[in-house]
Amino acid sequence: KAGVTQTPRYLIKTRGQQVTLSCSPISGHRSVSWYQQTPGQGLQFLFEYFSETQRNKGNFPGRFSGRQFSNSRSEMNVSTLELGDSALYLCASSLGGQTYNEQFFGPGTRLTVL
Amino acid sequence: AQKITQTQPGMFVQEKEAVTLDCTYDTSDQSYGLFWYKQPSSGEMIFLIYQGSYDEQNATEGRYSLNFQKARKSANLVISASQLGDSAMYFCAMREVAGGTSYGKLTFGQGTILTVHP
Repeated sequence: KAGVTQTPRYLIKTRGQQVTLSCSPISGHRSVSWYQQTPGQGLQFLFEYFSETQRNKGNFPGRFSGRQFSNSRSEMNVSTLELGDSALYLCASSLGGQTYNEQFFGPGTRLTVL
Repeated sequence: AQKITQTQPGMFVQEKEAVTLDCTYDTSDQSYGLFWYKQPSSGEMIFLIYQGSYDEQNATEGRYSLNFQKARKSANLVISASQLGDSAMYFCAMREVAGGTSYGKLTFGQGTILTVHP
């Protein structure tokens, strides 16, 4: 079974631009969660999508948005990039049902904002 | 609100010895899940082990075991027979369970850097 994939793996953008990151979950997984990892703040939850609906959201500004498609693939968008948005962005997939123990992460997208 | 505390910024262990990485948590929920992840320098988060709050036995996965003490709210990771490849950052995380549904939001600790010496 293929793991979680994220594209692109590396991105360099300048302030004010926008960026879209993509995450393909493990086959059969319906939940996709996004996290931001920085040296200063550690790992912080951005949002979770389940069956194309956002069902949980972290404490991030509205510049951070996402969506999920019918095949469970998810995209995350950051508009008007700031220097502080430089981070490793990780997505994780899981079944998302009643009871489950697994949550698997992708390799991440490393975003650098200049 | 949930909180995870990992008090050891860095740990050193000799190859083939066992090491314990500490994790304490705080939650008002009765139902929750606890995870340990390994993050090598490449950045990928590797799932190691899971413990449910109602699981009576400590979880084990190969060389990894979780020392779960619910009353103390601790979930320490024990790695037996350390290997050089175990050198990495280790994160403890908690997931809430509400209304019978396990949500995808994980709350992470700050992590512990483990260095295995030959």
